[in-house]
Amino acid sequence: GQQVMQIPQYQHVQEGEDFTTYCNSSTTLSNIQWYKQRPGGHPVFLIQLVKSGEVKKQKRLTFQFGEAKKNSSLHITATQTTDVGTYFCAGERGGGADGLTFGKGTHLIIQP
Amino acid sequence: DTAVSQTPKYLVTQMGNDKSIKCEQNLGHDTMYWYKQDSKKFLKIMFSYNNKELIINETVPNRFSPKSPDKAHLNLHINSLELGDSAVYFCASSQDRVKLFFGSGTQLSVL
Repeated sequence: GQQVMQIPQYQHVQEGEDFTTYCNSSTTLSNIQWYKQRPGGHPVFLIQLVKSGEVKKQKRLTFQFGEAKKNSSLHITATQTTDVGTYFCAGERGGGADGLTFGKGTHLIIQP
Repeated sequence: DTAVSQTPKYLVTQMGNDKSIKCEQNLGHDTMYWYKQDSKKFLKIMFSYNNKELIINETVPNRFSPKSPDKAHLNLHINSLELGDSAVYFCASSQDRVKLFFGSGTQLSVL
């Protein structure tokens, strides 16, 4: 079945440092979505990428979708304590019959 | 108004019991889901319903039975609970499978 690998599993950074999480799929994706889950909370949608090579920005967050539509990354510039949480990528193959497959998430821990 | 609401928030029960988790969405979405999140935060889809019709039924024990009385509700009934069922269960909804809206989760603890 479809697999979505996400690394790293944990990332400790000092406040103000940058952070990147990477997502890789075993199959070509029709789209990829990113979610953030705060500690004790539920996943919240951040963005969807659809086009090959697409890059989208949300303030300090930059999302990329690979040319082959098999990988994606989320980069946070100058992390803040509010960025703490688990970041998930979720990929979908065409047709939608399989639904979204979530990566295992990257836990971002920020030291003040 | 909460977009996706699920109850109860916490559920503590003994092995062998039967329990239900309820979910309701007021977003008018066509598709609803149940996800299981284990202690390592891994999110795994269990079921997906589109307009009350079962679309996705991942390999979960048949002790788990979803029920969708209408497209705004998707309940999860679990028979003969086992220790390994302990997890957080999230209900979610979406329109056209984009932007899932998750409920706040139900923390199930089986003793």
